[in-house]
Amino acid sequence: QVQLQESGPGLVKPSQTLSLTCTVSGGSISSGGYYWSWIRQHPGKGLEWIGYIYYSGSTYYNPSLKSRVTISVDTSKNQFSLKLSSVTAADTAVYYCAREGITMIVNWGQGTLVTVSS
Amino acid sequence: NFMLTQPHSVSESPGKTVTISCTGSSGSIASNYVQWYQQRPGSAPTTVIYEDNQRPSGVPDRFSGSIDSSSNSASLTISGLKTEDEADYYCQSYDSSNRVFGGGTKLTVL
Repeated sequence: QVQLQESGPGLVKPSQTLSLTCTVSGGSISSGGYYWSWIRQHPGKGLEWIGYIYYSGSTYYNPSLKSRVTISVDTSKNQFSLKLSSVTAADTAVYYCAREGITMIVNWGQGTLVTVSS
Repeated sequence: NFMLTQPHSVSESPGKTVTISCTGSSGSIASNYVQWYQQRPGSAPTTVIYEDNQRPSGVPDRFSGSIDSSSNSASLTISGLKTEDEADYYCQSYDSSNRVFGGGTKLTVL
């Protein structure tokens, strides 16, 4: 059973960079066949897809966030990470990491709340 | 930009059937697969329908999905409603490689 767990600071100051890591257990990122994604949910709002990385390192980002997002993978640690630069209060959200198959999100992390505030 | 529009909320009684719609803003919704996710309060979403009308293992057959090209809409139908079905439901499709979510529908079972 593949499980995902987000980790990182719960509070980030405006203009700084938000950094989160997703640790995958019960399966290997390197085995291929899946996209490793980040999705966020603003408080009381809907879901927003941020982007994905494949085990090879290829990425795709939501065009609305592309200029500020970097997703990377560390296959030796079975982890992938999210960096979101120049954050504002509008980036306050629950951030989920997820494992995507070809046409569905197969597994979700439990989510982690990140608040942007001074 | 491609958008998916869902009703903000729906409500129905236990044992009844409810349908939640998801309308595409442009193009043909049938051109890309539609998924549906259920999110109970305080929990991460889970998939209830993928590839328009497929159920992951473990999802009861009370959940079904369909596409109506004439209205450019996808629908999630839940029959034999149970109180445990009370949740937010999100549709999701694609705009090129971008994943697009609908705004979500709050289902109340009362």
